[in-house]
Amino acid sequence: GQSLEQPSEVTAVEGAIVQINCTYQTSGFYGLSWYQQHDGGAPTFLSYNGLDGLEETGRFSSFLSRSDSYGYLLLQELQMKDSASYFCAVRVKNNQGGKLIFGQGTELSVKP
Amino acid sequence: GAVVSQHPSWVICKSGTSVKIECRSLDFQATTMFWYRQFPKQSLMLMATSNEGSKATYEQGVEKDKFLINHASLTLSTLTVTSAHPEDSSFYICSARLLTYGYNEQFFGPGTRLTVL
Repeated sequence: GQSLEQPSEVTAVEGAIVQINCTYQTSGFYGLSWYQQHDGGAPTFLSYNGLDGLEETGRFSSFLSRSDSYGYLLLQELQMKDSASYFCAVRVKNNQGGKLIFGQGTELSVKP
Repeated sequence: GAVVSQHPSWVICKSGTSVKIECRSLDFQATTMFWYRQFPKQSLMLMATSNEGSKATYEQGVEKDKFLINHASLTLSTLTVTSAHPEDSSFYICSARLLTYGYNEQFFGPGTRLTVL
């Protein structure tokens, strides 16, 4: 089976930097994705790491270490609108080209 | 681009009735669609993977006779919750896969909130 661990909640202030860690145990690992979800909304894709290293997309960066089964999402210059739940998700092999398994989510609260 | 729609966005039904939820990829063809269920403040739990024209693959613990999935075309998948009960009340989200530059990216629909009375 698969298991993912991420902190349940994180609080930070506007303008700050926050890092959300994710550790995973899985077989047939393709890569690690990050999604943002606002209350009652659809998850939106933020980032994907298939190889070790850092991927940067604007204020968001994501890192993966396959040997450590570890990744993180880094959010810079936090804004109030960044308050949401953030999910790491492992993409794993199946007989239909792969599937996404989600972690429990980290609720980020950005304070003024 | 890569928009996924769901219909209805919310539905309230009586216990024992069946409810059908549609998932459409609006501007791309999706050979594979996924159905997730999410309870409040919890994770998205994968229910099943469906490929166009073939039977869905259900995750362990998901009753295939209760959650009927049909993927009749490259742009439409449906989930029917049969004989719904209050414990089936949840947020159901579909996702469609788009092959982009060798990476299969999944795009999510806006979700359907099901309330069973």
